[in-house]
Amino acid sequence: KAGVTQTPRYLIKTRGQQVTLSCSPISGHRSVSWYQQTPGQGLQFLFEYFSETQRNKGNFPGRFSGRQFSNSRSEMNVSTLELGDSALYLCASSIGTGEKLFFGSGTQLSVL
Amino acid sequence: AQTVTQSQPEMSVQEAETVTLSCTYDTSENNYYLFWYKQPPSRQMILVIRQEAYKQQNATENRFSVNFQKAAKSFSLKISDSQLGDTAMYFCAFMKHGVGAGANSKLTFGKGITLSVRP
Repeated sequence: KAGVTQTPRYLIKTRGQQVTLSCSPISGHRSVSWYQQTPGQGLQFLFEYFSETQRNKGNFPGRFSGRQFSNSRSEMNVSTLELGDSALYLCASSIGTGEKLFFGSGTQLSVL
Repeated sequence: AQTVTQSQPEMSVQEAETVTLSCTYDTSENNYYLFWYKQPPSRQMILVIRQEAYKQQNATENRFSVNFQKAAKSFSLKISDSQLGDTAMYFCAFMKHGVGAGANSKLTFGKGITLSVRP
């Protein structure tokens, strides 16, 4: 069974640009969550989607948005990039509430 | 809101020995789940173990076991027979139980602890 796939693995952008990250969950998993990991703030929850609906949202500005498609694949978008958005963005999928989350390898975003 | 605290930033252990990583959490919830995740230098987050709060029995996965003390809100991870491949950052995480409109899969993570296994 294929794991969680995130693309791209690495991205370099400049301030003010926007970026879209993609996540394909494990087959059969309907929940997809996104996390930002930085050395200073650690792992922070961005949002969770379940059956195409945002079920939970973290404390991030509106520049961070996401969506989930009918095949459970998810995308997150960051508009008007800032230097502080440089981070490892991790996607995780699970079957449902309380179940194990399986993570992808992440997308390393660098904002110059 | 829930908080997860991992007070030890770094630990080191000799290969084949046993090490215990500490974690405490704060919550007003009665039903929840606790996890330990491992993140090696490859940065791939790997699930180590999961504990359901309503279960008294401590979870075990091969060389990994937990000591779950619900009243003390403590959730430590014991690694037996440490191996070089155990070198990684370890994160303790909390998930609230919810059903219906409260259903969620949100993890609240601690800051992590860097474990080094010495040959």
